[in-house]
Amino acid sequence: KNQVEQSPQSLIILEGKNCTLQCNYTVSPFSNLRWYKQDTGRGPVSLTIMTFSENTKSNGRYTATLDADTKQSSLHITASQLSDSASYICVVDDSWGKLQFGAGTQVVVTP
Amino acid sequence: DGGITQSPKYLFRKEGQNVTLSCEQNLNHDAMYWYRQDPGQGLRLIYYSQIVNDFQKGDIAEGYSVSREKKESFPLTVTSAQKNPTAFYLCASSIESSAYEQYFGPGTRLTVT
Repeated sequence: KNQVEQSPQSLIILEGKNCTLQCNYTVSPFSNLRWYKQDTGRGPVSLTIMTFSENTKSNGRYTATLDADTKQSSLHITASQLSDSASYICVVDDSWGKLQFGAGTQVVVTP
Repeated sequence: DGGITQSPKYLFRKEGQNVTLSCEQNLNHDAMYWYRQDPGQGLRLIYYSQIVNDFQKGDIAEGYSVSREKKESFPLTVTSAQKNPTAFYLCASSIESSAYEQYFGPGTRLTVT
């Protein structure tokens, strides 16, 4: 069973609207949680990295939150743009150097 | 894609043939990784190397082989023993261990018929 579960699997949003993606994990202990953006047919690009002691981190219109007690993270996209259409991947580092990857949430932004 | 290049972008092979995927980085990173990505699944680690002339198996190493003769290069060979080789292959590198941020290449899509 995957130790990193993302929801929803996919979503469609109108340009200019906000959306929130969820990541639940069972990895324990963990040292950091990462969010990546992957355009179709390309390699993932890092958006944020949070250690277990951080609650939130922003990168432009992307804001990630982390609740280490409930083992949940979210990625909020503000004022979406067409270029935000991509897969967003949650990754948890298990402290032994092993990365656990979620399956990703496919986001489609429509005009 | 940073300073990591993968070639070719698309690769087609007949079943039973070995094929080698290239991965080069100019970031002076010690660690390099190979992942496989299939639809609806998270990335899975095939092999990784933390130093030249040393590499370790990941979760799905069967049917694959690697070498690390130079710091900047980490080629992956998909052998005929790999039962389901058609996939998107991603190479990544990091300063040291995977505890540091990994930078990914653009990927190679391999199709075996």
